[in-house]
Amino acid sequence: GEKVEQHESTLSVREGDSAVINCTYTDTASSYFPWYKQEAGKSLHFVIDIRSNVDRKQSQRLIVLLDKKAKRFSLHITATQPEDSAIYFCAASMTNTNKVVFGTGTRLQVLP
Amino acid sequence: DMKVTQMPRYLIKRMGENVLLECGQDMSHETMYWYRQDPGLGLQLIYISYDVDSNSEGDIPKGYRVSRKKREHFSLILDSAKTNQTSVYFCASTLRDNQDTQYFGPGTRLLVL
Repeated sequence: GEKVEQHESTLSVREGDSAVINCTYTDTASSYFPWYKQEAGKSLHFVIDIRSNVDRKQSQRLIVLLDKKAKRFSLHITATQPEDSAIYFCAASMTNTNKVVFGTGTRLQVLP
Repeated sequence: DMKVTQMPRYLIKRMGENVLLECGQDMSHETMYWYRQDPGLGLQLIYISYDVDSNSEGDIPKGYRVSRKKREHFSLILDSAKTNQTSVYFCASTLRDNQDTQYFGPGTRLLVL
């Protein structure tokens, strides 16, 4: 089955710098790639997604890139702020199953 | 206001006791999910429900069962809880399927002694 690997378990950046979180997936049938944010002690909420028919998507300070050839996708957070500190989960899902497979999460710390 | 609710939020049980975790959503979403979250493991899928009485095992269904008798409610049942089922359990829902945004509940922290 699909496996999603999230390469950075922790990431520290200075406020104002960019942060990049990388994920890889195994199944070429994966077509939907959402990202979720989990603040300390809270639940997950959706931040941005990308579908396999595009290779870049931007929502304000968030940019998602998708490289289908390399089976890799990444979340770029520009001009980081303290409130960006959280755990970020990448995920992948295929159209032929109803599962969503999550990475293990990246703890992002934005330092003042 | 789109919302997924979970009850209870915290629960302590003894090994061998039965556990009922409840999830509700007010969005008429078709598909609902139960996950557990353990440190270093991310989210693991326990069960999926496509609609009323239409449920499917996820990746770690052993020791769990589910019930969905109304579209807006999805229950997770642990018959005879085990200590290794201590975890944080999240319910989620999507409008139709896994190509849609998942909305997560606040989680239930379960401790099995």
